[in-house]
Amino acid sequence: ILNVEQSPQSLHVQEGDSTNFTCSFPSSNFYALHWYRWETAKSPEALFVMTLNGDEKKKGRISATLNTKEGYSYLYIKGSQPEDSATYLCASYSGGGADGLTFGKGTHLIIQP
Amino acid sequence: DAGVTQSPTHLIKTRGQQVTLRCSPKSGHDTVSWYQQALGQGPQFIFQYYEEEERQRGNFPDRFSGHQFPNYSSELNVNALLLGDSALYLCASSLVGGGRGDTQYFGPGTRLTVL
Repeated sequence: ILNVEQSPQSLHVQEGDSTNFTCSFPSSNFYALHWYRWETAKSPEALFVMTLNGDEKKKGRISATLNTKEGYSYLYIKGSQPEDSATYLCASYSGGGADGLTFGKGTHLIIQP
Repeated sequence: DAGVTQSPTHLIKTRGQQVTLRCSPKSGHDTVSWYQQALGQGPQFIFQYYEEEERQRGNFPDRFSGHQFPNYSSELNVNALLLGDSALYLCASSLVGGGRGDTQYFGPGTRLTVL
């Protein structure tokens, strides 16, 4: 994998259901994986920064896991609520090139009441 | 505590013109990064400023330049605008290093339209 890829591109979930989506990133020269939540007309909000293989982080109903050996991260949302509707971006930092983050295109999540 | 602020919110320019976008970092942050988000794409790294110098640069032409002031605020300048420069420009601040283990805090962006 040369770029950061996210799937699915968009997702419709019923309120109360749980959901998850994937971020794939280059595993070589990996240093950190960032997750952001971006609501329309607002600033991207940082959710997690993960660096260690096997790391799991949790914030309320949202959690994330990291596999640096195979180059993927999962974001889980338990008991989806309408306020969870947003675009979820992941970004990797490889450390071998520019100091900036390399972003995926995002997963657009819509929670249906 | 004010977060990252950007100005202006929206901007319309014509091809060939020059534009300056501004960013004030979160209080206590000394590093500013700029990103371009074209329609349907993820944000793409332009460059990062620390101690008033450009530390790293992404794959953008020299038409894109920047500046950081002693108060850590920053400007992004784009010369000879092209239609393809139409995008949302995001500014992010952090403590030294940014993208490694440090969280980057984003502003709401400036929407640039080039006609």
